[in-house]
Amino acid sequence: NAGVTQTPKFRVLKTGQSMTLLCAQDMNHEYMYWYRQDPGMGLRLIHYSVGEGTTAKGEVPDGYNVSRLKKQNFLLGLESAAPSQTSVYFCASSSKGDGANVLTFGAGSRLTVL
Amino acid sequence: GQNIDQPTEMTATEGAIVQINCTYQTSGFNGLFWYQQHAGEAPTFLSYNVLDGLEEKGRFSSFLSRSKGYSYLLLKELQMKDSASYLCATLDSNYQLIWGAGTKLIIKP
Repeated sequence: NAGVTQTPKFRVLKTGQSMTLLCAQDMNHEYMYWYRQDPGMGLRLIHYSVGEGTTAKGEVPDGYNVSRLKKQNFLLGLESAAPSQTSVYFCASSSKGDGANVLTFGAGSRLTVL
Repeated sequence: GQNIDQPTEMTATEGAIVQINCTYQTSGFNGLFWYQQHAGEAPTFLSYNVLDGLEEKGRFSSFLSRSKGYSYLLLKELQMKDSASYLCATLDSNYQLIWGAGTKLIIKP
């Protein structure tokens, strides 16, 4: 049982380049999330989705776009990368029926923008 | 505003007990979570409290006081593998998670 899988694990970009982070979950979870984690700060929500075909903005959505065409996949795109987007990105998922909303996280994707 | 405070770093000795505190101010409250995150890895769920009191789960216990906006995570019989960051998070009135910056716990032999 793979859980939540993120690709790639590491990536180095130059300013202005674009890329897509892929997240896949095999737990049939309805909710999916993209977070960024920076030193000295709590996890910050970028975008989230409550179901296939739906997305919503989180706390820090600027500079990112997302898509959820299939229930199991949640893609995070950077159209024009900036050094401020250097961070570790975590995808997570949770079940709609779980009142506690426990998140299962992927292993993370470390992105460096030069 | 919404705010969660927890110590940045703590040090404890193998075999001892350590208490990691978390205070919060959020708009509404629908529960408090503790997650463990080893360096370079994903956070993993430890506990969830929505009612006041102590929840015990093996060597780990979590306490909540809603009136004081306060929680703690208690780790007993510390092992070297407990060296990790411990993240406190609350679920606000919109069921959005608000995360603390985490407490890095260093265990010494």
